[in-house]
Amino acid sequence: GENVEQHPSTLSVQEGDSAVIKCTYSDSASNYFPWYKQELGKGPQLIIDIRSNVGEKKDQRIAVTLNKTAKHFSLHITETQPEDSAVYFCAAKYDYKLSFGAGTTVTVRA
Amino acid sequence: EAQVTQNPRYLITVTGKKLTVTCSQNMNHEYMSWYRQDPGLGLRQIYYSMNVEVTDKGDVPEGYKVSRKEKRNFPLILESPSPNQTSLYFCASSSGNWETQYFGPGTRLLVL
Repeated sequence: GENVEQHPSTLSVQEGDSAVIKCTYSDSASNYFPWYKQELGKGPQLIIDIRSNVGEKKDQRIAVTLNKTAKHFSLHITETQPEDSAVYFCAAKYDYKLSFGAGTTVTVRA
Repeated sequence: EAQVTQNPRYLITVTGKKLTVTCSQNMNHEYMSWYRQDPGLGLRQIYYSMNVEVTDKGDVPEGYKVSRKEKRNFPLILESPSPNQTSLYFCASSSGNWETQYFGPGTRLLVL
C-alpha cells in the first residue's frame, strides 16, 4: 500500500518568515496530493491540492510543488502569520484510498 | 450550512460496552469515510463507503463496524471497545470525484 512520510514533525518560525514541509510517497500510481490544515479542536480542512499532471500550484501565500520522478511534494507558506499556527497533513490518493502523513505542528512566533 | 456532524464529541466508556458514533452530512455526498488520529501516526482510514449499502475496509478496520443505510448517515460501531481504541475519530465525506474531503469536528473516545 501507499506510505507517506512527512518532515519535519514540528516547525517553529518567526512571523513573516517562510515555512516548508516536505512529504514523500511510495506508490507511483498516486495521482492526487492534498494538504490539510487542522486547527486545535477542529477537523482537518483542505487548504491546497495538486494533481499528478501539474508541477506547481499557488494560492496567495501558500504553494505546493510536486516532483513525480522523485515521488515527493512540498508545502510552502510565505510571510507566515500567527493564524498559520496549526497541524498540517499531507496526503496521497490512489483509487479510493487517501493515505496521510504523520503531520507537522507549525508554530509561528510573534 | 454545508457540514459534517458527529455525535458525541466526547465519550468515556469501559471495555466491552458497545457504542456507536454517528456521522451525518448534508451535502448529498456519495463517499463517506472514517479515520482515527493518533499522535505520530497521522490519520488512518478505518472504513469507507462509496454509496448506500457499499462499504469497504480501510487500513485499520479491526474492532470496528459500519453501515450505510442512508446516503447522509455513516455510523461507526464499536461492538466491544478496548483501550487500544482510545483515539480521536473523524468522519469525512466527499463528492463523486472523491478528492476534496470534508471532515467533521471529531469525536474523542476514551476506553477504560
